[in-house]
Amino acid sequence: QVQLVESGGGVVQPGGSLRLSCAASGFTFSGFGMHWVRQAPGKGLEWVAFIRYDGSKKYSADSVKGRFTISRDNSKNTLYLQMNSLRGDDTAVYYCAKGFCSGGGCCYDYWGQGTLVTVSS
Amino acid sequence: EIVLTQSPGTLSLSPGERATLSCRASQSVSSSSLVWYQHKPGQAPRLLIYGASSRATGIPDRFSGSGSGTDFTLTISRLEPEDFAVYYCQQFGSSPPYTFGQGTKLDIK
Repeated sequence: QVQLVESGGGVVQPGGSLRLSCAASGFTFSGFGMHWVRQAPGKGLEWVAFIRYDGSKKYSADSVKGRFTISRDNSKNTLYLQMNSLRGDDTAVYYCAKGFCSGGGCCYDYWGQGTLVTVSS
Repeated sequence: EIVLTQSPGTLSLSPGERATLSCRASQSVSSSSLVWYQHKPGQAPRLLIYGASSRATGIPDRFSGSGSGTDFTLTISRLEPEDFAVYYCQQFGSSPPYTFGQGTKLDIK
């Protein structure tokens, strides 16, 4: 069965860095685009970043552009999010999500359980 | 950027009742781009509806999606206790950002 397991969250000071990982199993990781989505405390879901199946294209939200970098290692079935220059408003649960596209449209058909990032001094 | 506005913010209903949740887009969205998720505290979000009206695998037929253009609706025909959660719409268009609505919380009355 499909599993997405995030790790790497924790408490970090403002201005600090953190790297999140998402270990994927149960599907052909190299065949699907992958996303990071976050949820700040008491807030809704926010799309953060997307990487194509082969890593050739990457996109990120304006709120994290220039600070966060999405990447993947298809040989390790792992997705990453390098987060630099962290701010208080980056505090959130970060989810990785598997993209799926068919004739009927695209969606996230599987999500991880999330990892909490807290930016605080 | 396409902004999605969900209404109401909170909906209080009883088990057995019908729930109607709205998602309005700031500009026309392809029906194939509109997705609905269910999210419970401490859990991963769950895909319900994609392409505005196609139920995901394993989703009960009491969940249905409809709409086009700028107005989309998620309907739960008869609420079960496990349906009380937060529901999000998302537009998954041809290019990012893939924005979400702010969510509708479905509460037990």
